[in-house]
Amino acid sequence: DVKVTQSSRYLVKRTGEKVFLECVQDMDHENMFWYRQDPGLGLRLIYFSYDVKMKEKGDIPEGYSVSREKKERFSLILESASTNQTSMYLCASSPPGQPGNTIYFGEGSWLTVV
Amino acid sequence: DAKTTQPPSMDCAEGRAANLPCNHSTISGNEYVYWYRQIHSQGPQYIIHGLKNNETNEMASLIITEDRKSSTLILPHATLRDTAVYYCIVWKETSGSRLTFGEGTQLTVNP
Repeated sequence: DVKVTQSSRYLVKRTGEKVFLECVQDMDHENMFWYRQDPGLGLRLIYFSYDVKMKEKGDIPEGYSVSREKKERFSLILESASTNQTSMYLCASSPPGQPGNTIYFGEGSWLTVV
Repeated sequence: DAKTTQPPSMDCAEGRAANLPCNHSTISGNEYVYWYRQIHSQGPQYIIHGLKNNETNEMASLIITEDRKSSTLILPHATLRDTAVYYCIVWKETSGSRLTFGEGTQLTVNP
């Protein structure tokens, strides 16, 4: 079974702190994604990566950055956390771009910024 | 990516089949139909996907109409643990494509 593991399930951080959310997948997938999910807004794509050291902006990249130094690991960084970044963050991975591939999600990280 | 329409909520008795409908009238020929579910406070879980033929796996069956404008997810013997939000998505995975989740259907399985 594909496993996407997010290192922190629940975090509480202060405004202005730098926050790291880590994600590891064990299926040698090329593609990795970071989404956030908010009530009424659904899942929104923040950043994605199609290979090591490659990154592409999603729909809402402002206030975030990412790092992909190894194929299995994709990190989301909040440079200076703000209260509007309180949300559930979801990491996902998938094999290379072919129609019919499946995206697999992690369990989610609940971030509260106070 | 094509948009989908799902009922906001459905109820099902435990042990009975749950049939969840989805309309996707603007689906294009190379877009797949995917179903995910999300149990409260957890990440979305992949269930099944298909292009034009009906599909079955250990979790569910997917019935796609011949014109591909709608589909039905069938959970043959619903249990209380199947209570979740079910998302129907039409998507073609290519570079730069977005997997877009709508509001889904809240399925409640009652004892």
